[in-house]
Amino acid sequence: DSGVTQTPKHLITATGQRVTLRCSPRSGDLSVYWYQQSLDQGLQFLIQYYNGEERAKGNILERFSAQQFPDLHSELNLSSLELGDSALYFCASSAQTGGNSPLHFGNGTRLTVT
Amino acid sequence: AQSVTQLDSQVPVFEEAPVELRCNYSSSVSVYLFWYVQYPNQGLQLLLKYLSGSTLVESINGFEAEFNKSQTSFHLRKPSVHISDTAEYFCAVSPSGGYQKVTFGTGTKLQVIP
Repeated sequence: DSGVTQTPKHLITATGQRVTLRCSPRSGDLSVYWYQQSLDQGLQFLIQYYNGEERAKGNILERFSAQQFPDLHSELNLSSLELGDSALYFCASSAQTGGNSPLHFGNGTRLTVT
Repeated sequence: AQSVTQLDSQVPVFEEAPVELRCNYSSSVSVYLFWYVQYPNQGLQLLLKYLSGSTLVESINGFEAEFNKSQTSFHLRKPSVHISDTAEYFCAVSPSGGYQKVTFGTGTKLQVIP
């Protein structure tokens, strides 16, 4: 058990809809990362937060947004969903923002857009 | 910018045989290197890491990886694989300074054949 909790585990929704994915980081970790994993794109970094502030942005679409709350949990909002957004979305956390701090991953949220 | 190349998308190997999963990276700065493992329906877990010091690093379950700076490689090896090693393995690189921006390879699926 990594200590990172993601909810829900599965999400099925229709095109054009909006969903929110939730992540609780490992106790004591201040950094939260969001990744998208799909068969054709592999593991893609979306965005990183540290102690409530955005620190790095990756290949995140404008339809997607995220935030980290004062209690350090994070939410990823996906709107105007398209079929191509179907993927596994992972949250990870780490103690620091430095490159030597390993990432601890949750078990992911599987999003299916129909 | 940095990149990670895992040339082999799938590696089948018989149980108790040795295996090597290849990883090459490219970076203009010094890096930290990681191997993560993903078992079915789970998130990624840290397998081993190279931060500094000895170029040969080991995991608790018999895997080892050697950092080769001249060849910009960090290949993962195990002298004798077990059925339970069947999983997908991801090589990752992170710059040694500044904020953590982890770049993952596309993954190698290790299939251990009984």
